[in-house]
Amino acid sequence: DVKVTQSSRYLVKRTGEKVFLECVQDMDHENMFWYRQDPGLGLRLIYFSYDVKMKEKGDIPEGYSVSREKKERFSLILESASTNQTSMYLCASSLGWEKLFFGSGTQLSVL
Amino acid sequence: AQSVTQLDSHVSVSEGTPVLLRCNYSSSYSPSLFWYVQHPNKGLQLLLKYTSAATLVKGINGFEAEFKKSETSFHLTKPSAHMSDAAEYFCVVSDRDDYKLSFGAGTTVTVRA
Repeated sequence: DVKVTQSSRYLVKRTGEKVFLECVQDMDHENMFWYRQDPGLGLRLIYFSYDVKMKEKGDIPEGYSVSREKKERFSLILESASTNQTSMYLCASSLGWEKLFFGSGTQLSVL
Repeated sequence: AQSVTQLDSHVSVSEGTPVLLRCNYSSSYSPSLFWYVQHPNKGLQLLLKYTSAATLVKGINGFEAEFKKSETSFHLTKPSAHMSDAAEYFCVVSDRDDYKLSFGAGTTVTVRA
């Protein structure tokens, strides 16, 4: 089975801090995604990567950046965390577009 | 542009009774449609997908969904609910066969013993 691992289940950070969320997949998938999940809004795509060092902006990239230096690892960076970035962050990977494999999420609280 | 509306934010059923989760979509093209399930403290898991083959799609755990183009709907059903079906369910549409998926707001299912 594909395993997508997010490094932290819960994180608490201060406003203005730089935050790194890490995601690792073990199935050699080309595609990796970062979503945020908010109640009543479903999932919204932040960034997508289709290869090492390649990235595309999703629907809500403002305030975020990403890094993909190795195929198995995709990092989400909050350059200066703000309270409106308090959310559940979900990482996913896939070969094509028809089936995404998700990690169990990181609940980030920015105080 | 593509979008998805899940008509119920919460559905409560008794164990052993049918489950119906309603989803309407908007798409400029021939869409691909998916249902994902998220159990508490778990990642999302693909339940089933429609990609222009048979309009009645069978998925895992006894779920199925029917694509109705005339009604722009993709409702999810299960004949008999089990306690393990308690979870959040997301309807998802893609109209360009690419990475831009649009997720619905989700439907939370509770199952009463």
